Amino acid sequence: QVQLVQSGAEVKKPGASVKVSCKASGYTFTGYYMHWVRQAPGQGLEWMGRINPNSGGTNYAQKFQGRVTMTRDTSISTAYMELSRLRSDDTAVYYCARDPNSSPSSWGQGTLVTVSS
Amino acid sequence: NFMLTQPHSVSESPGKTVTISCTRSSGSIASNYVQWYQQRPGSSPTTVIYEDNQRPSGVPDRFSGSIDSSSNSASLTISGLKTEDEADYYCQSYDSSPLWVFGGGTKLTVL
Repeated sequence: QVQLVQSGAEVKKPGASVKVSCKASGYTFTGYYMHWVRQAPGQGLEWMGRINPNSGGTNYAQKFQGRVTMTRDTSISTAYMELSRLRSDDTAVYYCARDPNSSPSSWGQGTLVTVSS
Repeated sequence: NFMLTQPHSVSESPGKTVTISCTRSSGSIASNYVQWYQQRPGSSPTTVIYEDNQRPSGVPDRFSGSIDSSSNSASLTISGLKTEDEADYYCQSYDSSPLWVFGGGTKLTVL
């Protein structure tokens, strides 16, 4: 079955960077876009961007342009999301989610990133 | 760009039927697929409906999705409500940028 396993919680200081990983299994990693979505405490879901694991091509939400970088390592079926110049309002749970593409989307378990001085 | 608008909350009794709407602000609701996600407290979202009305294996047939072009909205209907259905529900569709658009979420209370 499709499984997305994310890296553990992080605590960062303002201005620092964080890199979250998402290891995929149970399907062909290069066959589906991988999206990143975040959820601030008590808030809704916010799309950040996506990566094509096959080509490495990316699309980012305008809000995160210049601060977010999505990469992948096909040899280990893992996608990464790095967010730089962290602020306190970046405190959120970050999810990876496989693109639907004629089958239901699967989501990772989430990674809590806390930004605090 | 468009927005997806959902009711903030709905409540219904066990065994009843509830419908959650998701209204698209501009452009046709039928022009892009709609997904519905269920999120229980402390858990990640899971897909209950994809591509407007497709149900993943393992999701009970009490869950159904539909599109109504006259109201430019998508709907998630849950029949035979159970207490385990209590959760937040999000609709999601596609745009040119941002690529994924989410509704604000609906808190379902089964009381």
